[in-house]
Amino acid sequence: EADIYQTPRYLVIGTGKKITLECSQTMGHDKMYWYQQDPGMELHLIHYSYGVNSTEKGDLSSESTVSRIRTEHFPLTLESARPSHTSQYLCASSDHRGTGVEQFFGPGTRLTVL
Amino acid sequence: QKEVEQNSGPLSVPEGAIASLNCTYSDRGSQSFFWYRQYSGKSPELIMSIYSNGDKEDGRFTAQLNKASQYVSLLIRDSQPSDSATYLCAVNLNTGGFKTIFGAGTRLFVKA
Repeated sequence: EADIYQTPRYLVIGTGKKITLECSQTMGHDKMYWYQQDPGMELHLIHYSYGVNSTEKGDLSSESTVSRIRTEHFPLTLESARPSHTSQYLCASSDHRGTGVEQFFGPGTRLTVL
Repeated sequence: QKEVEQNSGPLSVPEGAIASLNCTYSDRGSQSFFWYRQYSGKSPELIMSIYSNGDKEDGRFTAQLNKASQYVSLLIRDSQPSDSATYLCAVNLNTGGFKTIFGAGTRLFVKA
């Protein structure tokens, strides 16, 4: 079982608030990812990191930002939440060693912006 | 053309039957292929990975890869109602990085 954690699991917040979604993994994986997924829709990569102090934007344009100061921690921040940000946010990690590019997902954070 | 294509379904099979899920990909140099299962409201869970042409079996699951045809499939034998979920095909592109592209998924319903 993958040891990757996300908090909070559910968040309802008003427009304009700043929020940070937390993601931590205890597997020592160097690669971490954030995906956005609306109900019944496909996953969209919004940010990824190859290691400490390395972050890149994904395929889907996002107003969020990320940081990677520690290997195990990859938080995502929205400076000013809007209703269009309502979605499920999934964090994942992978290990480059061997053939392992398998990604392991956290439980997700379901965000609702009113 | 999408980089990873799957039939969205729903695919409906009776309990005990074989469910066959298919996926095609566009990057001929792709090296790593994965199947994830995602229950409604939950996060994806890795169930199979395959890297070489041919079949790979794990319990009731068999992944099949044909790189010449750019085709990967998942067979679920003795399907159970608990197998009802969305199955995501994922392909690691041969771009020198670790970018994995996910298909939109096929919804599977197993009728009791």
